[in-house]
Amino acid sequence: EPEVTQTPSHQVTQMGQEVILRCVPISNHLYFYWYRQILGQKVEFLVSFYNNEISEKSEIFDDQFSVERPDGSNFTLKIRSTKLEDSAMYFCARKPGLAVDEQFFGPGTRLTVL
Amino acid sequence: SQKIEQNSEALNIQEGKTATLTCNYTNYSPAYLQWYRQDPGRGPVFLLLIRENEKEKRKERLKVTFDTTLKQSLFHITASQPADSATYLCALGSARQLTFGSGTQLTVLP
Repeated sequence: EPEVTQTPSHQVTQMGQEVILRCVPISNHLYFYWYRQILGQKVEFLVSFYNNEISEKSEIFDDQFSVERPDGSNFTLKIRSTKLEDSAMYFCARKPGLAVDEQFFGPGTRLTVL
Repeated sequence: SQKIEQNSEALNIQEGKTATLTCNYTNYSPAYLQWYRQDPGRGPVFLLLIRENEKEKRKERLKVTFDTTLKQSLFHITASQPADSATYLCALGSARQLTFGSGTQLTVLP
């Protein structure tokens, strides 16, 4: 199965700035996820998104984070006021359908907050 | 609290041998368990999924076992090759999210 694509591949921003990370599914899927991985640490779940609504979110996904699917295709993760500790790889993943449990990850966006 | 442990942060084996990686979990009742491969700077790549009512799953040179009594999964790569060198992640699943272990870095020596 093809992966999702993510843009940009690398984002550098100043602390306090807003960033938007984008995930472009290859086809029209209903289930999307965002994960992050701080360098050298484990992959951590942020949020799941089903049928244009948040399905579940972790403790990490606080008020500075938001997700949306603004045009019915792209799936975005917005970080409102970035902090140094937000520096990480951010992965978008998709699940093809309800009966399929494996998730397919994109290549990631490396976010560097200075 | 829920915990997933992948013992051996790093595992080195000789080419042609079988690599065995372990995933243990506590305070979980997962519907299924998945194994992923991750190369440096890349996203995880799905390898195998095994459900709570399955004991074993195979795919080519890969084999996964799942013991819900022991709360443990074993992941085997037979006839290992240098190209199998990567970090292997165990993930426990529900419909809404995956929870990952910290991974085992496997190096297959030629």
